[in-house]
Amino acid sequence: GEDVEQSLFLSVREGDSSVINCTYTDSSSTYLYWYKQEPGAGLQLLTYIFSNMDMKQDQRLTVLLNKKDKHLSLRIADTQTGDSAIYFCAEGGGGFKTIFGAGTRLFVKA
Amino acid sequence: GAVVSQHPSRVICKSGTSVKIECRSLDFQATTMFWYRQFPKQSLMLMATSNEGSKATYEQGVEKDKFLINHASLTLSTLTVTSAHPEDSSFYICSAVAALAGNTIYFGEGSWLTVV
Repeated sequence: GEDVEQSLFLSVREGDSSVINCTYTDSSSTYLYWYKQEPGAGLQLLTYIFSNMDMKQDQRLTVLLNKKDKHLSLRIADTQTGDSAIYFCAEGGGGFKTIFGAGTRLFVKA
Repeated sequence: GAVVSQHPSRVICKSGTSVKIECRSLDFQATTMFWYRQFPKQSLMLMATSNEGSKATYEQGVEKDKFLINHASLTLSTLTVTSAHPEDSSFYICSAVAALAGNTIYFGEGSWLTVV
């Protein structure tokens, strides 16, 4: 079945770049998403990429998609303490269902 | 842009009572909506697919008599947690498919349910 996997934890120093990786299994996925969830808050859509794109950049965020390897990454440049949160990778496509990864907890050390 | 609104954003209820969570698409019609649940420190899990005018399709392991879903109009789906227990405390989030916007999926901000 469909599956999305991502590492559970990432720790970086303030000012460094963060790279969160994700792999997915459904090659028919149309959209791939990155969501952010801060403690006690709802989901916030950070960015998404269409499956026919390789890269998307949005201010400090860069999304890279390797469709052959079914690998998605999110790079956050100049990471700040306010970026500390859980980041969910998700794929959507078949039947419009969105399948989420388990989330990567990003810890930013001052 | 399109917005999906959930209400209430936070609710506390007593064990044994029922609580209803609404999911509204504010400026588009959605024949299909989805309900997800997130346990603390875990990922979102799809509970059911809500189809306007027909019965919801539940994922394996989700009790349909406990989690009642009603999609009575093209802009509203409701999730009712019946006879709530503390283990039902969770974060519930819906999403809606905007068919006229290229089937873009929009998520609500979620509802925190605490059963005491």
